[in-house]
Amino acid sequence: GAVVSQHPSRVICKSGTSVKIECRSLDFQATTMFWYRQFPKKSLMLMATSNEGSKATYEQGVEKDKFLINHASLTLSTLTVTSAHPEDSSFYICSAILQGSRTEAFFGQGTRLTVV
Amino acid sequence: SQKIEQNSEALNIQEGKTATLTCNYTNYSPAYLQWYRQDPGRGPVFLLLIRENEKEKRKERLKVTFDTTLKQSLFHITASQPADSATYLCALPHSGSARQLTFGSGTQLTVLP
Repeated sequence: GAVVSQHPSRVICKSGTSVKIECRSLDFQATTMFWYRQFPKKSLMLMATSNEGSKATYEQGVEKDKFLINHASLTLSTLTVTSAHPEDSSFYICSAILQGSRTEAFFGQGTRLTVV
Repeated sequence: SQKIEQNSEALNIQEGKTATLTCNYTNYSPAYLQWYRQDPGRGPVFLLLIRENEKEKRKERLKVTFDTTLKQSLFHITASQPADSATYLCALPHSGSARQLTFGSGTQLTVLP
């Protein structure tokens, strides 16, 4: 199956700093990637849809200036959490869907962000 | 708006038994439904997709049913093993965009040896 690599898997940062999370499709091109946030024992909450070469589409309630998404190539999307605060601590996951008839999503390993 | 419910937050069963997980949805008629497995601290992994015109689908020890009248999918793991312990998520295509997925909150399955 297709592989999506997410980096870093864990990051601890101080309040007020910014953190960048990378999501790469290793063996396929992904014109669209998705960024999710997951709280403990909760479902994945879609934050935004990342489109290659254009602006991301954010879900209602997600601050686009807080969570910057860049999808500069067909294999890389990045999520930058700017001016992080402790309430931004969470598990962030990216995914990509293969083109064509298959509709399964391939997920990255996730990034555990802790803001202290 | 579409709503997905996975009835059990947690399910414990004995090794060798069949685990049955439930996914119900409302306000929607999806073209397909998917099941994923998620281990702690990891991203979900795709397991099975079942389309609206399919009643049942199997993959090794996994079986999924899809009842569009009841708006329900059942996910079965037969001859369960401790290694099957994980959280299982059902997912539907978003009503507004087929490329987005909406996930249920998951059922945490524990298979006891």
